[in-house]
Amino acid sequence: DQQVKQNSPSLSVQEGRISILNCDYTNSMFDYFLWYKKYPAEGPTFLISISSIKDKNEDGRFTVFLNKSAKHLSLHIVPSQPGDSAVYFCAASGNTNAGKSTFGDGTTLTVKP
Amino acid sequence: KAGVTQTPRYLIKTRGQQVTLSCSPISGHRSVSWYQQTPGQGLQFLFEYFSETQRNKGNFPGRFSGRQFSNSRSEMNVSTLELGDSALYLCASSSGTNTDTQYFGPGTRLTVL
Repeated sequence: DQQVKQNSPSLSVQEGRISILNCDYTNSMFDYFLWYKKYPAEGPTFLISISSIKDKNEDGRFTVFLNKSAKHLSLHIVPSQPGDSAVYFCAASGNTNAGKSTFGDGTTLTVKP
Repeated sequence: KAGVTQTPRYLIKTRGQQVTLSCSPISGHRSVSWYQQTPGQGLQFLFEYFSETQRNKGNFPGRFSGRQFSNSRSEMNVSTLELGDSALYLCASSSGTNTDTQYFGPGTRLTVL
């Protein structure tokens, strides 16, 4: 039973346009959500997070939206840049399992110049 | 602050051997989590140590074990290696609360022949 799902394995967008990466979760105990970016042969790098008490968090070009009723979150990148091309992982954690994040399988984003 | 370091970065072993991987967390972090990433897969949680105690455990066989030392450094051991253990092993450190971000090391690429 996969508790965090990223249903799109890949996404391709044009430079300057918006990239929208989606993530769904099933465990209602999750209350903290994160997005990580990963380049080949490197560890994931933290991008942005959101607590379940919020529905939006913004950091520069990156915005994460959380819809608790739908158990869905999304990452918006505006404007997309070629350097954003990487694998993006959605992760979730909860009060009962601090230190353990459940990850989705990742979405490979390609931003074309 | 120095980031999370993992040694070795690359390792080649044969079936049946055992291996020990090391992780040094960010100074002041008391939680170290270990994840396995296989090609095309998300990060699968192995276990988490907090203040020298295993606090969370994923669904991996007993061949996978770990420990944490008083300085928060952690080691992960895999015994009786199988071909399917070939993967990128990532460790992440955090303060240990569920709303704290995990910071990842570069990983150890293990190849089992």
